[in-house]
Amino acid sequence: DSGVTQTPKHLITATGQRVTLRCSPRSGDLSVYWYQQSLDQGLQFLIQYYNGEERAKGNILERFSAQQFPDLHSELNLSSLELGDSALYFCASSVVQGVGGEQFFGPGTRLTVL
Amino acid sequence: GENVEQHPSTLSVQEGDSAVIKCTYSDSASNYFPWYKQELGKGPQLIIDIRSNVGEKKDQRIAVTLNKTAKHFSLHITETQPEDSAVYFCAASQYGQNFVFGPGTRLSVLP
Repeated sequence: DSGVTQTPKHLITATGQRVTLRCSPRSGDLSVYWYQQSLDQGLQFLIQYYNGEERAKGNILERFSAQQFPDLHSELNLSSLELGDSALYFCASSVVQGVGGEQFFGPGTRLTVL
Repeated sequence: GENVEQHPSTLSVQEGDSAVIKCTYSDSASNYFPWYKQELGKGPQLIIDIRSNVGEKKDQRIAVTLNKTAKHFSLHITETQPEDSAVYFCAASQYGQNFVFGPGTRLSVLP
């Protein structure tokens, strides 16, 4: 158990819908990262937050957005869902940012878009 | 942007043998290179990492080497065990941001 929690574990929805994925980092970790893992794209970095502020952006679609709240939990919002958005979404946390600190991954949320 | 290649995509070894997975990266500014192990149904787990100011790092049966000039780094697992069977990912990052992952290597350790 990495100490990072993600909810829900599974999510099944329809095209065009909007969903919110939630992540709670390890106690004391200020940095949160979101990743998408699909069979054909591998593990793709989406976005990073540090202590409530956006720090880095990767291959995140405009239909996707994220935020980190004062209690440091983070949410990833996916809207206007398409079939191709079906994937595993991972959250990771680390205590530091900017120095390559160890990332601890959560168990992931499996999103299925029908 | 950064691009990370990883080889081989699949690797089968006999228990007790060594396994080597190689990665190359394109951006010379990358300075942090972690390796992750992902078991079925679980999130990736960091197993070892190396920073650009170090050429080699070892942790028990696992070692990583980095060649900055050639822009490649390798994972070495010695005395493999069945529980080493998993998918392994390499990644490259600049100062812990914008991680780019390799496509993964599926390692099977045959008893």
